[in-house]
Amino acid sequence: DAKTTQPPSMDCAEGRAANLPCNHSTISGNEYVYWYRQIHSQGPQYIIHGLKNNETNEMASLIITEDRKSSTLILPHATLRDTAVYYCIVRAAGGTSYGKLTFGQGTILTVHP
Amino acid sequence: DTAVSQTPKYLVTQMGNDKSIKCEQNLGHDTMYWYKQDSKKFLKIMFSYNNKELIINETVPNRFSPKSPDKAHLNLHINSLELGDSAVYFCASSQVRNSYEQYFGPGTRLTVT
Repeated sequence: DAKTTQPPSMDCAEGRAANLPCNHSTISGNEYVYWYRQIHSQGPQYIIHGLKNNETNEMASLIITEDRKSSTLILPHATLRDTAVYYCIVRAAGGTSYGKLTFGQGTILTVHP
Repeated sequence: DTAVSQTPKYLVTQMGNDKSIKCEQNLGHDTMYWYKQDSKKFLKIMFSYNNKELIINETVPNRFSPKSPDKAHLNLHINSLELGDSAVYFCASSQVRNSYEQYFGPGTRLTVT
């Protein structure tokens, strides 16, 4: 599995866009980028995933560079409730790993008033 | 309605005891998982069941035994509890066995004294 690198922490002002970077320079052609977050004391929450095209859903947008070596999760209007640890995970869809998610240390995003 | 539920939310017990944690999902998913989050906040997969069949069994002491009576339930039984078993245990589910879009429960905080 490709290794991911994320900054340990980031700050964002409430109402502004939060842009969380992730490096995955060894990503393979069949590997997707997944983002999860964990709000304090809760279970991780799936946010979004993508292969090479940019993706958007009701929670966030995912921008993947053309060479796919990095990506950015964008929370367009961060709120205090978005304060959480954000995990970037790279996995090949399907295959024999049977859904085994491997969480790293993630980025602690703090949204302040 | 809670999609993935776990009971109990908190469990305090003494070393040597046997305890169980229950998990239920009402999403109609085929696959369920158990993850452990230790005191350093690392989240690691322990087991996965697909339609009552064990498909992931990580290097976990055999004191831990998952049981899936049906595809909506995955329980975790722990024998002879040790201090190092203290952690938060999360149950998750996904629609199919190789999906990384997983839905997590609220967690069970186990404290062994």
